[in-house]
This record gives sequence, structure tokens and C-alpha cells, in this order.
Amino acid sequence: AQTVTQSQPEMSVQEAETVTLSCTYDTSENNYYLFWYKQPPSRQMILVIRQEAYKQQNATENRFSVNFQKAAKSFSLKISDSQLGDTAMYFCAFIGNAGGTSYGKLTFGQGTILTVHP
Amino acid sequence: GAGVSQTPSNKVTEKGKYVELRCDPISGHTALYWYRQSLGQGPEFLIYFQGTGAADDSGLPNDRFFAVRPEGSVSTLKIQRTERGDSAVYLCASSLNAQETQYFGPGTRLLVL
Repeated sequence: AQTVTQSQPEMSVQEAETVTLSCTYDTSENNYYLFWYKQPPSRQMILVIRQEAYKQQNATENRFSVNFQKAAKSFSLKISDSQLGDTAMYFCAFIGNAGGTSYGKLTFGQGTILTVHP
Repeated sequence: GAGVSQTPSNKVTEKGKYVELRCDPISGHTALYWYRQSLGQGPEFLIYFQGTGAADDSGLPNDRFFAVRPEGSVSTLKIQRTERGDSAVYLCASSLNAQETQYFGPGTRLLVL
């Protein structure tokens, strides 16, 4: 079975600064996808960024980037120029590719509450 | 275009009652998923549909939980003889197919008294 671990229950950062959220995972599968989702108090789960495991290049989306270390099974999220609207719970998630036991179902970490202070 | 919608937003019921939670996926998405999220935790997988059929229902906790998607679009999650432990937010997601990114609805908060 796959597991996803987020070891930081809470993080805080000053507006305009940079923060990194950690995530590690465990799987025996070779082909998979990793995600970071954001969940503000409104409850809506919003996709932040997606990484395909077969790609060595780290994904980036504007102020959001990841550091994907496949051998170490590590997938951290870096938020640059933090904004007040980034305040939310952030979840790291894993899904296996076709043929694997985790195909079609996301496995989530426990989440990290990020607070951006003015 | 319209995102995933879920109704009701909130549902309060009494222990032992039957409830139905509805999910309307993004138009054209063939895959649909249900997750359950307890307070302060990450969502946990319940079931996913590819078209009209349940491709994986391994996350359903027991036989009181059942889900349908009769026409391959709207899905209903049904919970019989509700228990206080069923209280949670129930999230629905959809994707073009099971390999594509899942897009979530706002969830239904279920409270069993």
C-alpha cells in the first residue's frame, strides 16, 4: 500500500517571503503522479501543481515549484513571494499509473496548515 | 465552464436515518470519485467510477455505504442506518479518465446526531 507523510502540521511565513512544505511517500510502483492540493477554509480542494514521476524536470506553476527527488521519495513544495491568499491547508497526494494497485485513487498526506502573515 | 457541484452543502441527520449525497461532475468527465474527509485529516478514498460502473469500491467502509452512477454522469452516495462516526465531509471529484488530474467539488458536510 502507498503512504504519504507530511511531517509539518503547521507552518507560517511572512507575506512576500518563501516557504517550503515537505512531503515523503512510500510506494513500490515505478510509474505514478504526485500532486499538491490546497484547501482553504471554504473546503474546496484546489490543484496547485502536478508532477509525473517519469519526468526528471521539476514542475513549476508561477510562484509554485516542486523539488522532486524520486530516489529519496521526496516531493516538497516551494511557494515564492507568499501572499495572504495562500493561507490554507496543503495536501500532498499520490496516484499510481495504469496497472498498479493505486490506479484511480488518490492517497493523501495528513496536510500542513500554512498561515501567511501580513 | 462549470466545476464539480455537490448537494446538499450541509446535511444534519439523526442516527439510524438514511441519507443521499449527490455529485454532478464536470461535463465530459468519464471518471468520478468519492472521498471522505474527517476533521483535520486528509481525504480518504471511498469509490471510483469509470462510466457507469464502479471500477474500485475498496474504500467503502462497510455495506451501509453504496454509490451509483446510472447514466455515467451524476452520482449518488447512499448511507443507510447512519452512525455518529459517519460524520465527515464527503468530497466528490471527476477527471477526464482515471489517469488525469482530479478536480474536486466543495463537499457535503454530514453531521449525524
